[in-house]
Amino acid sequence: AQKITQTQPGMFVQEKEAVTLDCTYDTSDPSYGLFWYKQPSSGEMIFLIYQGSYDQQNATEGRYSLNFQKARKSANLVISASQLGDSAMYFCAMRGYILTGGGNKLTFGTGTQLKVEL
Amino acid sequence: DVKVTQSSRYLVKRTGEKVFLECVQDMDHENMFWYRQDPGLGLRLIYFSYDVKMKEKGDIPEGYSVSREKKERFSLILESASTNQTSMYLCASQGGREQYFGPGTRLTVT
Repeated sequence: AQKITQTQPGMFVQEKEAVTLDCTYDTSDPSYGLFWYKQPSSGEMIFLIYQGSYDQQNATEGRYSLNFQKARKSANLVISASQLGDSAMYFCAMRGYILTGGGNKLTFGTGTQLKVEL
Repeated sequence: DVKVTQSSRYLVKRTGEKVFLECVQDMDHENMFWYRQDPGLGLRLIYFSYDVKMKEKGDIPEGYSVSREKKERFSLILESASTNQTSMYLCASQGGREQYFGPGTRLTVT
């Protein structure tokens, strides 16, 4: 069974500063994928970034980067130069690598509510 | 761009009613999913489908059923709505790596 743990229910950050959102995971799958999604107050889930378990480098997408530490089973999201529009709920999720049938299932964490302040 | 639409943003139903939540995607994706989202619990998978007429139970299927008669449409059915099914329901579709989500339906059962 897969499990995702997000231990920060809420975070505050000043505008233009960097912030790290924590995510740890547990799985027995030899290969897997890790995702981060953003959910603004409007409710829609927006895909941010992906890291494969065998990827050699940490994933980056614009101001988002994923600090992947495989031995520690952590996949923290780093947002650089925070903006007011980054205020949202952020979810970490995991999927096994069998991309058929049940292997496509995502397991989500409980989320971190980020508030960016002036 | 992938578009996933859900039939309603807000829905209020009475206990015991049969409720249909509809989801449509326009990218010919094989896989579609229904989640419910509750505060402090994150998203939990109710059912998913990897082909027309094919479905599998997720983590919390009790009290729900699904239908996928056409590839683009995946319906979630609450056979007899109960107050503990008050929640946000999110539909997603997937053709490649990531899942694309609809805007969600906030269902209140009174």
